Amino acid sequence: DAGVTQSPTHLIKTRGQQVTLRCSPKSGHDTVSWYQQALGQGPQFIFQYYEEEERQRGNFPDRFSGHQFPNYSSELNVNALLLGDSALYLCASSLAGRKQETQYFGPGTRLLVL
Amino acid sequence: AQKITQTQPGMFVQEKEAVTLDCTYDTSDPSYGLFWYKQPSSGEMIFLIYQGSYDQQNATEGRYSLNFQKARKSANLVISASQLGDSAMYFCAMRDGADKLIFGTGTRLQVFP
Repeated sequence: DAGVTQSPTHLIKTRGQQVTLRCSPKSGHDTVSWYQQALGQGPQFIFQYYEEEERQRGNFPDRFSGHQFPNYSSELNVNALLLGDSALYLCASSLAGRKQETQYFGPGTRLLVL
Repeated sequence: AQKITQTQPGMFVQEKEAVTLDCTYDTSDPSYGLFWYKQPSSGEMIFLIYQGSYDQQNATEGRYSLNFQKARKSANLVISASQLGDSAMYFCAMRDGADKLIFGTGTRLQVFP
């Protein structure tokens, strides 16, 4: 049973560039959530996708956008990168509709913006 | 506003001893879930244990147990018989009514021989 996978594992970009991160959910899961974890902090919720639509969003600017595909995989796009976007980006998957559902995380993508 | 508080930035425990990691939460939602995750230096968040707000009994998963005190709004993680491999960051999280997770700032646990 494949777990949550993310690509790439590491990424280096410069300010102003754009980046796309990818996530494949755990088998059988239909909901994908994205989190940003700055160094020394707990993860912060960016947004969640279900049925190819953004279901809810955290306190992140519009530079952060996403997409969910029919196979439930998801992308996180960040435009006009800032130094402060350097962080570990975590993807989590779950199954919608179950009240006690656990979110399972992937290994993350470490983004460094220079 | 919903919030998770972890007041212990770091904890030390000797191998084979038990350790308690503290977590308090704040929410006005009567229905919520509480989670503990382990994050090794590799970065992946590993699910450890879950407690629902309506669960009558404290959750247990192997060496992990959750000391849930609803009136005090605390959900402490107890790790019994600590192992060297337990050294990691530990995060307490709450799932709100909208199904997103709210995390605390974490506790770094170091297990020494």
